[in-house]
Amino acid sequence: KAGVTQTPRYLIKTRGQQVTLSCSPISGHRSVSWYQQTPGQGLQFLFEYFSETQRNKGNFPGRFSGRQFSNSRSEMNVSTLELGDSALYLCASSYDNSYEQYFGPGTRLTVT
Amino acid sequence: LAKTTQPISMDSYEGQEVNITCSHNNIATNDYITWYQQFPSQGPRFIIQGYKTKVTNEVASLFIPADRKSSTLSLPRVSLSDTAVYYCLVGDHGSSNTGKLIFGQGTTLQVKP
Repeated sequence: KAGVTQTPRYLIKTRGQQVTLSCSPISGHRSVSWYQQTPGQGLQFLFEYFSETQRNKGNFPGRFSGRQFSNSRSEMNVSTLELGDSALYLCASSYDNSYEQYFGPGTRLTVT
Repeated sequence: LAKTTQPISMDSYEGQEVNITCSHNNIATNDYITWYQQFPSQGPRFIIQGYKTKVTNEVASLFIPADRKSSTLSLPRVSLSDTAVYYCLVGDHGSSNTGKLIFGQGTTLQVKP
């Protein structure tokens, strides 16, 4: 069974731009969660989608948004990028509401 | 969600058994205890989960005392490749926490030759 895939793996953007990251969950998994990891703040939960609906959301500004498609693939979007958005963005999938999540390799976003 | 406390770092040598203890004094009745491992520039990997007593899989063992206020992740005969950050997470599967893992600072384990 293929693991969680994320594209792109690396991205460099300029402050003020917007970016879209993609995540393909493990086949059969319906829940997709997104996390931001930085050296200063560690791993922080962004939001979770299940059957195309956002079920949970972390404490991030509205510039961070996401969606999930009928095939469970998910995208997250960050608008008006700030330097502080530079981070490793991780996507994780699970079959349902489970503490056993499978993480992808992440997208390394650098904002200059 | 219960707050967890674990050592910031630990050192060990190859072939030794490593025990990482996590304190979670405010654990709730419905909470499970889960451990993840993360290598640099990779996503975390689920290691083990338990509710009470002892759980063992091919990678590790998890010991949970009767009061459940702490837990110990045991890694038998570590190797250099076990050098990673280990996170202890505590929480339930209720609707308010759906899909949400709360990671603390974790324990950086350094295995030396």
